[in-house]
Amino acid sequence: GNSVTQMEGPVTLSEEAFLTINCTYTATGYPSLFWYVQYPGEGLQLLLKATKADDKGSNKGFEATYRKETTSFHLEKGSVQVSDSAVYFCALSDRGTGNQFYFGTGTSLTVIP
Amino acid sequence: ETGVTQTPRHLVMGMTNKKSLKCEQHLGHNAMYWYKQSAKKPLELMFVYSLEERVENNSVPSRFSPECPNSSHLFLHLHTLQPEDSALYLCASSQDRGDEQYFGPGTRLTVT
Repeated sequence: GNSVTQMEGPVTLSEEAFLTINCTYTATGYPSLFWYVQYPGEGLQLLLKATKADDKGSNKGFEATYRKETTSFHLEKGSVQVSDSAVYFCALSDRGTGNQFYFGTGTSLTVIP
Repeated sequence: ETGVTQTPRHLVMGMTNKKSLKCEQHLGHNAMYWYKQSAKKPLELMFVYSLEERVENNSVPSRFSPECPNSSHLFLHLHTLQPEDSALYLCASSQDRGDEQYFGPGTRLTVT
């Protein structure tokens, strides 16, 4: 079946540090992959997406590359800011299995000045 | 600004009350979703509507009753809830099932 596994948190970084949040997936078809961000007290917001192998999604300084060979979609940012403190969710959509959408468990990031 | 609104943003209700949560999407989408988000638990998909028809109901207790009167509006009717139902209830929409979902800000529900 389909699933998404992302690294356990919480993650605490100093401002301007490099961020990586790991995400791996299992899918029976050809999924699209997403990263969502949830700021405190808000709903989830789509951060970036990639729809096929080797695609790179990017937004607000964040990047993730769809790696089919390693079934991964790791989120990276070169220099985090305090305002990036949030919970990050990796997600998968697989049209081959009835258009199901699968979310990871979320990784909490805190950036300290 | 996501184009998906939810009201109320906060709700406190007793176990014998009846209340409704409302979701409205201004994006022209065909699919709408209800999720439950509890502390320390994964996001739980509750209901899926596609073209106003319920297409998924993930073993949700009958004290939660969804309604989708048109493609822009989604309701979650609540009655005789339990304290463990306290959570953030999120509504989302997508162009079609399987497309990226856009979320509302959520309703923080507390059952006393």
